[in-house]
This record gives sequence, C-alpha cells and structure tokens, in this order.
Amino acid sequence: AQSVAQPEDQVNVAEGNPLTVKCTYSVSGNPYLFWYVQYPNRGLQFLLKYITGDNLVKGSYGFEAEFNKSQTSFHLKKPSALVSDSALYFCAVRDEGSYIPTFGRGTSLIVHP
Amino acid sequence: DGGITQSPKYLFRKEGQNVTLSCEQNLNHDAMYWYRQDPGQGLRLIYYSQIVNDFQKGDIAEGYSVSREKKESFPLTVTSAQKNPTAFYLCASTTGAYSGNTIYFGEGSWLTVV
Repeated sequence: AQSVAQPEDQVNVAEGNPLTVKCTYSVSGNPYLFWYVQYPNRGLQFLLKYITGDNLVKGSYGFEAEFNKSQTSFHLKKPSALVSDSALYFCAVRDEGSYIPTFGRGTSLIVHP
Repeated sequence: DGGITQSPKYLFRKEGQNVTLSCEQNLNHDAMYWYRQDPGQGLRLIYYSQIVNDFQKGDIAEGYSVSREKKESFPLTVTSAQKNPTAFYLCASTTGAYSGNTIYFGEGSWLTVV
C-alpha cells in the first residue's frame, strides 16, 4: 500500500525568506515522488519529480525538493519565496508498479509581502 | 499546443439530472483519470482508464460513469445517483504504465447543484 502525508495545512513565510513544504510517504517498493502546484480555480501544474539518482531534484520556478530515504520524506523547498508562490501545493507518490498516484491533502502556502 | 482540455468550465445541475463533463487530450497518452476535489480533502480518484475500451473504478465511483471509446477522450457522466456532486472535477493523463511517468492535469470543471 502507498500513502503520503502533508503534515501542515498552511505554511506562512515572508517574501524573500526560504520556504519548506513538508511531505512524507510510505510505499512497499521504490517510491516515485511528485510535487504539483495549484492556483485558485486552476488545474494542478507539475513542478518536479524524483525517480532515482540525485537526492536533490530541481524543478520549475526555482523550486527544488530533497529526497530522504531514511526519513521517507520529500520536502519542497525554495531559497527565496515570492508573493506569487502563494498557492496550494500537493505531494504525490506512486509505488513501484502502481498505476495510480496517491495525493496528499495539500498545503496552502501564503507568502506575505 | 498539446494539452488536456476540459469543458465546460462551469456547469449547473438540477436535481435528478445527469450531466457530462468532457475531457480531451492531444498528448497521445494511454492512461486517463478523473479526480474529484473538495476543499480540505485533496484529490479523490473517481475512475481511470489504462487503454481504450477499458476502465476501472476508483475510490468514489458510485454515482458516476465513464466511457473510453477513443484514446483522446474520456468523458465523465455525473448521474442523479450522485447525491452530493458539487465539486471541482479534474481530468488527468499520462503515457504508459511506468510509475515514474508524470501525470498532467486539465484546468478543471466546476459542477454545482441548483
């Protein structure tokens, strides 16, 4: 069975400060991990994914995520937040061989000017 | 441009009425999905289809039906049996069965019961 948890419903950060949105997962085999962003009234946009290899994955809009196998985490990070980063962020996981991803409940990121 | 097109963006359903949400993709993707999004509950899988003329129920299929007659199309019908259909509906697709393939989403459709 696969599962994913986003422990924070909301994250608040000041513009220019670094941001972190947390995600932990559970799988039976090798994990395939994804981050998406959703702006109001829009679909989900793909940001980045981890399949294998380097634990630090770089994605769109300056976002990156760090895969940590021992802590079963895949936290999303950005060195300097922008007000325009304010949105809903979803983490997703697919177990090896799984056709269906499991999404977290989402974390609302609010970047204050 | 390639992508996933959902229509209509806004749809209103009267009690006892069936409505159909359209999803078309020109990405040549094999697999397509329908999700329902309610505030604070994340995404819940309604139906998915791995290939043409085949589809499987997801976690909340009751009150919904789908068809997959063409590779590029995966319409969702919300039937009168769905008692609480007001939600944001998202269609998605991906290529092949590899778990590392990215799933891409359409822009979503709002369904409201009036």
